[in-house]
Amino acid sequence: DAGVIQSPRHEVTEMGQEVTLRCKPISGHNSLFWYRQTMMRGLELLIYFNNNVPIDDSGMPEDRFSAKMPNASFSTLKIQPSEPRDSAVYFCASSKHRDRVYNEQFFGPGTRLTVL
Amino acid sequence: GDSVTQMEGPVTLSEEAFLTINCTYTATGYPSLFWYVQYPGEGLQLLLKATKADDKGSNKGFEATYRKETTSFHLEKGSVQVSDSAVYFCALSSSSNTGKLIFGQGTTLQVKP
Repeated sequence: DAGVIQSPRHEVTEMGQEVTLRCKPISGHNSLFWYRQTMMRGLELLIYFNNNVPIDDSGMPEDRFSAKMPNASFSTLKIQPSEPRDSAVYFCASSKHRDRVYNEQFFGPGTRLTVL
Repeated sequence: GDSVTQMEGPVTLSEEAFLTINCTYTATGYPSLFWYVQYPGEGLQLLLKATKADDKGSNKGFEATYRKETTSFHLEKGSVQVSDSAVYFCALSSSSNTGKLIFGQGTTLQVKP
């Protein structure tokens, strides 16, 4: 299995530009999570999906952030317009969630975003 | 609500020293507990887990025991190596039954030769 795939691995953009991060979860997993990691704030959960449906987006910083999961094998996190304070490493993770069975989350390698 | 508290780092040890990283939690019900490790430049990966009270999770020489009476899940290793230098995260399964994990803030371990 290839694991969780994220692209791009690195992104450098200028303030005001639109940024799209992509994630392919592990085949057969039904839960997908987007995290952001910075030195100042640590690891933050932004949004997560169960069976392609957004369950909780309370961690999304503001309206400039949006996430979609059009099918079980693909998700995007979009920032429009981007700002320097969005610079961080963004992780996608997936898991196979069943009722009352708590399985591990598998993390992707992350996308390092730098907004100039 | 559910929460996880880890000891603050960084923790600096000499090779072959004994390691303990403390983790305590607050949760409703009976969560599963996890330790994840993040090596430099990589994503998090599961190190070990325990799904019920008194369970001991173990992997690569690391161990942690699910202590319900003290709401703790401390990570231990008898003899650390330089290659164990990483950030360690304690986590629990959310009582919301959605597959969400609640992570601690992470503890950086640096092992010197």
